[in-house]
Amino acid sequence: DAGVTQSPTHLIKTRGQQVTLRCSPKSGHDTVSWYQQALGQGPQFIFQYYEEEERQRGNFPDRFSGHQFPNYSSELNVNALLLGDSALYLCASSLVGGPYEQYFGPGTRLTVT
Amino acid sequence: GNSVTQMEGPVTLSEEAFLTINCTYTATGYPSLFWYVQYPGEGLQLLLKATKADDKGSNKGFEATYRKETTSFHLEKGSVQVSDSAVYFCASLNTGNQFYFGTGTSLTVIP
Repeated sequence: DAGVTQSPTHLIKTRGQQVTLRCSPKSGHDTVSWYQQALGQGPQFIFQYYEEEERQRGNFPDRFSGHQFPNYSSELNVNALLLGDSALYLCASSLVGGPYEQYFGPGTRLTVT
Repeated sequence: GNSVTQMEGPVTLSEEAFLTINCTYTATGYPSLFWYVQYPGEGLQLLLKATKADDKGSNKGFEATYRKETTSFHLEKGSVQVSDSAVYFCASLNTGNQFYFGTGTSLTVIP
């Protein structure tokens, strides 16, 4: 049973650039959530996708956008990168009908220089 | 609003010592509560959960009881091992299916 996978593992970008991160959910899951985890902090909720639509959003600017595909995989896009965007980006999948615990991928480490 | 507060670390214990990591929450309604563990360089793994008051979640020797009266979900283990060294996150899940995480507590177990 394949778990949540994310790519790439690491990424280095320059301020002002744009980045796309990818996530494939656990087999059988239909909902994908994205989190930002700054060093030494807990994950902060960015947004959640279900049925190819953004269902919920945390307190993140519009520079953060996403997409979900018909096969439930998802992308996170960040435009106009800032130094403060450097973090571990985690993807989690779950089932909209429950159980609601989320299964996390290993994350993508983004460094903005 | 919704939030989770954990005891600050780092916590260092000797092998076979008793572990308690405190967690309290604020929420509208009655959230589900979780403990996740993160090993170095990895994502978060679900450790245990409780979905209603007085439920006890348990896994791998870890336990936590959902206490509505004190809005707490403290993590305990009777005898820690070196392999338990990791960062532990308490989290709540509200009715809107959104998770709120604490800041994490780093645990180091020394032989």
